Amino acid sequence: GENVEQHPSTLSVQEGDSAVIKCTYSDSASNYFPWYKQELGKGPQLIIDIRSNVGEKKDQRIAVTLNKTAKHFSLHITETQPEDSAVYFCAAAPYNTDKLIFGTGTRLQVFP
Amino acid sequence: EPEVTQTPSHQVTQMGQEVILRCVPISNHLYFYWYRQILGQKVEFLVSFYNNEISEKSEIFDDQFSVERPDGSNFTLKIRSTKLEDSAMYFCASDVAGGRNEQFFGPGTRLTVL
Repeated sequence: GENVEQHPSTLSVQEGDSAVIKCTYSDSASNYFPWYKQELGKGPQLIIDIRSNVGEKKDQRIAVTLNKTAKHFSLHITETQPEDSAVYFCAAAPYNTDKLIFGTGTRLQVFP
Repeated sequence: EPEVTQTPSHQVTQMGQEVILRCVPISNHLYFYWYRQILGQKVEFLVSFYNNEISEKSEIFDDQFSVERPDGSNFTLKIRSTKLEDSAMYFCASDVAGGRNEQFFGPGTRLTVL
């Protein structure tokens, strides 16, 4: 069935460093890939998304890249700040469905 | 900014009891979802709902689960006879047009089954 794998499960960086989180998906027909940030006690919040017709998208310090051939996509956060500390989930939307398949999450800690 | 709201924030119930989790989606959204997240695990899709009917459901969403949009604003998830393994955070989400659009998530209801 549809599956999304996410690595690493935890990531610790120093403030100002970059952080990279990687995901792979199984359904080659998936065409929408959002990234969600979940802070403690809150619901997931969309931070950036990418569709299969583009290879890269950037929004200030956050960027996402997509490699359709390899079926993987990555989140890049530059100049990390302590408030970036949270759990990040990647997700994929399989073809012809409205549901999202989530990865297992990455706990990012940014140390001042 | 419009947001999805959920009540209650925490529900404690005895095994075998019925619970109803409530959600108010964003007002102009047409597609509604329930997801759950067992502690420390990934967010899992339960069901999607559009035009007053279920459009898709997962294997988790068995006969013990049901959803309803009783009026123009609320969207509910009912679990008829709760089991210990139903303990999880339940998230409601909505989006404006389904498919490849942003799903907005509520803050969740933590369900604890004793």
